[in-house]
Amino acid sequence: RKEVEQDPGPFNVPEGATVAFNCTYSNSASQSFFWYRQDCRKEPKLLMSVYSSGNEDGRFTAQLNRASQYISLLIRDSKLSDSATYLCVVNMGTNAGKSTFGDGTTLTVKP
Amino acid sequence: NAGVTQTPKFRVLKTGQSMTLLCAQDMNHEYMYWYRQDPGMGLRLIHYSVGEGTTAKGEVPDGYNVSRLKKQNFLLGLESAAPSQTSVYFCASSPALAGSYEQYFGPGTRLTVT
Repeated sequence: RKEVEQDPGPFNVPEGATVAFNCTYSNSASQSFFWYRQDCRKEPKLLMSVYSSGNEDGRFTAQLNRASQYISLLIRDSKLSDSATYLCVVNMGTNAGKSTFGDGTTLTVKP
Repeated sequence: NAGVTQTPKFRVLKTGQSMTLLCAQDMNHEYMYWYRQDPGMGLRLIHYSVGEGTTAKGEVPDGYNVSRLKKQNFLLGLESAAPSQTSVYFCASSPALAGSYEQYFGPGTRLTVT
């Protein structure tokens, strides 16, 4: 079993739709969690950190469920520019901040 | 403030050749990392460094060596390139703040080994 698992998709949604991605992690001792965005042939960029209380940044909402060991990303009112691959990242909080990346979920937003 | 830069952006090697990839960051970050990303797959950690003069192995270190002689630079070496090392290589850095392990990535180096 992979340490971090994501539904690879692809998710194809129309503009304005709401879409949600889930990510599960296997190590219950994991400390910090992130969502990154990666555009085609580009480097990953931090989208948002995920806190236990949940957090929101504009159209994006991230949630953490430690009991079930999953994190989620909700995108409301999808834009064409949201088309990208979304990477779930889990960090143990120890050992030099080594992070484990999921393989990513691909989102395509269509007109 | 350039962030994280990588040199070169593209490279084609023949099997058995050697090369060094350079990563530089101007954010005064303590931690630096080298990843590879194969098509349709996630990032896999090759080597990392928690500070100047220190390096450690990641998930897939075989065939690679690294050095961090200066805090701002992290070099990745391939001594004898193999076709299996064809990949996109990303460097990243992270501040050494408690609980703050977000990483900032360079634009990547696309390496093809024939």
